[in-house]
Amino acid sequence: QKEVEQNSGPLSVPEGAIASLNCTYSDRGSQSFFWYRQYSGKSPELIMSIYSNGDKEDGRFTAQLNKASQYVSLLIRDSQPSDSATYLCAVRYNFNKFYFGSGTKLNVKP
Amino acid sequence: KAGVTQTPRYLIKTRGQQVTLSCSPISGHRSVSWYQQTPGQGLQFLFEYFSETQRNKGNFPGRFSGRQFSNSRSEMNVSTLELGDSALYLCASSLEPGGSYEQYFGPGTRLTVT
Repeated sequence: QKEVEQNSGPLSVPEGAIASLNCTYSDRGSQSFFWYRQYSGKSPELIMSIYSNGDKEDGRFTAQLNKASQYVSLLIRDSQPSDSATYLCAVRYNFNKFYFGSGTKLNVKP
Repeated sequence: KAGVTQTPRYLIKTRGQQVTLSCSPISGHRSVSWYQQTPGQGLQFLFEYFSETQRNKGNFPGRFSGRQFSNSRSEMNVSTLELGDSALYLCASSLEPGGSYEQYFGPGTRLTVT
C-alpha cells in the first residue's frame, strides 16, 4: 500500500508568519509531487508541483523535495487569513494514479 | 480556458438505486481521474481513463464503474447505492502526453444516499 502521511493539525500561525507543512511518502519510485489547497466545501486547488530535489518557489509558496528522506514540504511566507484551509499533499505513481494525504488544516490568526 | 465541469452538482438518491455522474475535462486534456472524498477516508482514487481506456483502478467494489468518450468526457456510475456511498465525487483532468501531470479538479458532485 502506497502511503502519504500528513499531520492533520490544526496548525495555527499568526498573520504574517511562515507556515510549514510537511508530508512523507512510502514509495521511493514516486516521481511527481503536488500540493493542493482545499477550502471547506470546495474542491482541491493546485498550488505547486515539484519533480526534482530541492526548492521550488512561486510567490509566497515554496515547495521542498527530499527524495532520499522521502519527504516533501510546503512553506507559506507572510501567511494571510485567506490561507486558512486544508492543504493536501499528493504523490503520483504509475501513469496518473495519485495518492493523497489526509491533509493538514491550517489556521492563520489575524 | 474553461475549467473542469461536473454535473450534477448535488444529488439525492435512495439506497439500492443507481447514479451516473458526468465530467467534462479542460479542453485538450485527455486524462480523467475520479475520486471519492469523505470526512473519514479523505480523498481516495477510484479510476483513471485515458483515450477511452481505463489505465488505473483503485480499491473500490465493482459497483463503481466508469467510461470515457472519444471527446474525453467521462462518466462514472454507481449501482446498488449504499448509505456509505454518500460523499463528494471529484473529477480531475490532466494534459497528456508530454504534460506536467498536474491534475485540475472540478467542483465535484455531492451525492447523498438516504
